[in-house]
Parts: sequence; structure tokens; C-alpha cells
Amino acid sequence: EDKVVQSPLSLVVHEGDTVTLNCSYEVTNFRSLLWYKQEKKAPTFLFMLTSSGIEKKSGRLSSILDKKELSSILNITATQTGDSAIYLCAVPGGGADGLTFGKGTHLIIQP
Amino acid sequence: GAVVSQHPSRVICKSGTSVKIECRSLDFQATTMFWYRQFPKQSLMLMATSNEGSKATYEQGVEKDKFLINHASLTLSTLTVTSAHPEDSSFYICSAEDRVSGNTIYFGEGSWLTVV
Repeated sequence: EDKVVQSPLSLVVHEGDTVTLNCSYEVTNFRSLLWYKQEKKAPTFLFMLTSSGIEKKSGRLSSILDKKELSSILNITATQTGDSAIYLCAVPGGGADGLTFGKGTHLIIQP
Repeated sequence: GAVVSQHPSRVICKSGTSVKIECRSLDFQATTMFWYRQFPKQSLMLMATSNEGSKATYEQGVEKDKFLINHASLTLSTLTVTSAHPEDSSFYICSAEDRVSGNTIYFGEGSWLTVV
């Protein structure tokens, strides 16, 4: 059974801090790992990672995959209150590309 | 703008009635769409894979007679919650993969279902 584990489950930091969110996975046939940000509605896509060691970057967010360690990290630098959200990590695997999600990291940025 | 549209965004229905949720891919064709369910403060759980022109594939523990899925065209999948009960109240989200443009998976906006 495919499995995705995220840590920490919740994190409270101050504006301006840098945070690192972790995701580890066990999947029968790895193809990709995806990061999403979820606020009050459906998740919004952040990154899709397929190759180990290649950092993907979007503004203050960046992510990298380590296939050897079966893990990925999501970094957010110079955090802002608008970064407060649940960050979800997912891998395709359940039911013909259906995503298996981790439980998410609930990130709270305090002013 | 949204590439996957879900409707309605919120619906309240009475116990025992059925409610239909639509999921449309707006600018790409999706032979496969997915339906998820999310309880408050929990992660998304895959319910079923919706296959265009054939029967849906349900995940273990999901009642196929209760959650009817129809994928009649390459841009539309519907989820019908039949004989709804209060415990069916949840956030339902669909997704579709755009295989032409980098295999990005897009989500609909989600539908809040409240059964009273």
C-alpha cells in the first residue's frame, strides 16, 4: 500500500522565518511527487518533482527530491502571513494515477 | 483561471435525498478524473477513479452504490451521493490530469456538501 508521511504536522513561526517541510514516501512505482498548498478551498499546485537533486523554485518557495532517501523537502524563505496554509505532499499511485496524500503540514505564520 | 470547474460549490440537502456534483475540465480533455473526499482538518482521501466511457474504479471501503460516478464525456464527470445521510457531509473535490501539458494535475474548486 502506498504511503506518504509528512512532518511536522503543524508548525508555528514568525514572519520572516524560514521553514522546511518534510515528506517521505513509499510507493510501488514512483513516477513523481507533488506539493500543494491548501487554504480554505481546494489545493493549489506548487511543484511536481520527478528527478532527484534538481531544485524547483518559485519565488520564496523551493523544493527538492531525494529518491535515495525517498523524501522531499519544501522550503519557504522570508515567510509571510499569507503563507499560512496546509501544505500537502502527494504521490500518484492509488487507482491509476490517483494521488495518495500525506496528512499535511499545518503552517501558521504569526505577524 | 480555473482549468477544472466543479459545481455546485456549496449544497445543502435533506437526509434521504440525492445530490449531484459536476466536474468539468475546461480546456483539456480528461479520459480520467478523480474524486476525493476531505473531512475537516484531515487530508484528502481518494474515493474513486472516473473513467470516460467505462465504469469507475472505487477505492477500498467506498460504497459504489452510494457514490455513483458517471464520466459521460472527455470533459465531464459527475458524482451523485445517493440517499444522503448527515455523515456524508464533507468536502468533495475532483481532479483531472492534463497529459498534454506536462501531466499537471488540476483540482476543481471543491463542493461543500451538508446533509441535514
